[in-house]
Amino acid sequence: ELKVEQNPLFLSMQEGKNYTIYCNYSTTSDRLYWYRQDPGKSLESLFVLLSNGAVKQEGRLMASLDTKARLSTLHITAAVHDLSATYFCAVDRLYGNKLVFGAGTILRVKS
Amino acid sequence: GAGVSQSPSNKVTEKGKDVELRCDPISGHTALYWYRQSLGQGLEFLIYFQGNSAPDKSGLPSDRFSAERTGGSVSTLTIQRTQQEDSAVYLCASSPSGTEYQETQYFGPGTRLLVL
Repeated sequence: ELKVEQNPLFLSMQEGKNYTIYCNYSTTSDRLYWYRQDPGKSLESLFVLLSNGAVKQEGRLMASLDTKARLSTLHITAAVHDLSATYFCAVDRLYGNKLVFGAGTILRVKS
Repeated sequence: GAGVSQSPSNKVTEKGKDVELRCDPISGHTALYWYRQSLGQGLEFLIYFQGNSAPDKSGLPSDRFSAERTGGSVSTLTIQRTQQEDSAVYLCASSPSGTEYQETQYFGPGTRLLVL
């Protein structure tokens, strides 16, 4: 059974600081996703990572994937208040198409 | 609008009643998914439709839950004899084909269901 664990589950950051959210998954997976959810809103796709060593960056967010360790990281650089949201990682198998989500990391950036 | 739309946005019902939730996928997307988001269980897969293939119903929690997709587009999720534990946000997503390697699922705004 495919399981996904995220940590930390809650992260309070000061503006301007860097931090990393970790996502571990239990069995081989074909694709790893990062989504963002604002309170009361739906899920917004951030990144899809497909291969070992894949790195993608968008603004202050950078995601990477290590398939050997079954680990993805979401690195936040110089946090700003607008990044406050809940971040989910999810994995699936090609042709399986069932996203298995982590519990989410609630990020609060304080000024 | 070009995104996934869902209706109603909020639904309050009494225990034992049936409810229907609707999803309009992004135009041209042949793959459609339903998920449920609740405080206790997080985000859970419910069902997946891909083109004209038989749906993958493996995530439906009980036989009170069913879904159909008419004409390869709009989908309806039906919950019969609702229970309080059915209270959750029901999210619909779509993707272009369900078969492309670099495909992303695009989520709708959700229907917030409260069973009293």
